[in-house]
Amino acid sequence: NAGVMQNPRHLVRRRGQEARLRCSPMKGHSHVYWYRQLPEEGLKFMVYLQKENIIDESGMPKERFSAEFPKEGPSILRIQQVVRGDSAAYFCASSPTGEAGELFFGEGSRLTVL
Amino acid sequence: SQQGEEDPQALSIQEGENATMNCSYKTSINNLQWYRQNSGRGLVHLILIRSNEREKHSGRLRVTLDTSKKSSSLLITASRAADTASYFCAPVGGGYNKLIFGAGTRLAVHP
Repeated sequence: NAGVMQNPRHLVRRRGQEARLRCSPMKGHSHVYWYRQLPEEGLKFMVYLQKENIIDESGMPKERFSAEFPKEGPSILRIQQVVRGDSAAYFCASSPTGEAGELFFGEGSRLTVL
Repeated sequence: SQQGEEDPQALSIQEGENATMNCSYKTSINNLQWYRQNSGRGLVHLILIRSNEREKHSGRLRVTLDTSKKSSSLLITASRAADTASYFCAPVGGGYNKLIFGAGTRLAVHP
């Protein structure tokens, strides 16, 4: 059973470009969480999605950031018009239910904005 | 959801020694989870302790929970260089819908 798959693992963008990060949850998991981590810091919650629904986006910046988890295909975290401050590692996690159990994390996507 | 506060921020020990890190939280919980993050990697779930449990073991890991003090500790016995990582706790309360992580404890185990 493959784990949570994130791609790309590394992404370089110039200021003003768009970044798309993809996350395929573990098989059978319908709950996806996105986190952002700056160097030497902890993970900051961004958004929680269930298939076709955004459940909690309280950690998402109000502008330029969006997330989706369609009925078919991976979850996508989209960052429009990237700025240098968006440079970070973005982690996706999945769980089979939205209850208080274990989260399974991917290896992250590292975004560098030049 | 609430954030746990890990203490100390950093811990440096020799191989073979025990490592203890602590987590404090503010409101009542259903369970508390510990995760490990190796440098450049994703988080890995270590152990989950429920609010009605006081102690739990998994291999060289021992987790305790004191709900009266709203604190938990993670003990790694006979540490190895491979235990070098950041460790995070995540308290889970009612109305849960996400895990919130603190800054973690950075553990360095020297050969």
